[in-house]
Amino acid sequence: EVVVTQSPASLSVSPGERATLSCRASQSVNSNLAWYQQKAGQAPRLLIYGASTRATGVPARFSGSGSGREFTLTISSLQSEDIGIYYCQQYNNWPRTFGQGTRVEIK
Amino acid sequence: EVLLVESGGGLVKPGGSLRLSCAASGFNFGVYPMTWVRQAPGRGLEWISSITWNSTYIHYAESVKGRFTISRDNAKNSLFLQMNGLRGDDTAVYFCARGSLTTVIRYYFDHWGQGDLVTVSS
Repeated sequence: EVVVTQSPASLSVSPGERATLSCRASQSVNSNLAWYQQKAGQAPRLLIYGASTRATGVPARFSGSGSGREFTLTISSLQSEDIGIYYCQQYNNWPRTFGQGTRVEIK
Repeated sequence: EVLLVESGGGLVKPGGSLRLSCAASGFNFGVYPMTWVRQAPGRGLEWISSITWNSTYIHYAESVKGRFTISRDNAKNSLFLQMNGLRGDDTAVYFCARGSLTTVIRYYFDHWGQGDLVTVSS
């Protein structure tokens, strides 16, 4: 099983500042990695797929990078509506696995 | 608009059974892979099962293998999860999610339902 580890567990960022979230896989998943945003009481929402492609309707302040084992989600200028938990997930191998999530808060 | 609506959740005793349904609309259900993901209270996301468009390829997490069965009825635009031998650690919100049309084997989850709560307790 591919273990996916996210860091940090939580992140507090001032509005307008940059937020950088990391995701590491225990083995290469190529570029088969997605990022999801989950707001309180809501279903997850796809943000990024293929490690770096924004899903339809996702603001340009969200960007993804990386390949192989190391990945990053960057929110270039944090907005209040971006608070929530962010999960990365690999879809290269079975079983599909998610990271434990990074909670993003406003400072 | 893609819409996924789960139903069938509720309170069940340990050892009991439950069948979840996911009604799909707004897209050609019969060509997409589908998936169930769950989230225990206050915890992260856990993938539990996926099925290809024609039910040829089915995968399960080890935690549910042998107890849960995923199936679909393309004529009725519906996805199902039969859950038997339920345990306390199966308590969670269960989400159905649509898989992307990238490859048969590797797909991400591009649309999600709002989820349905399953509580296993005596």
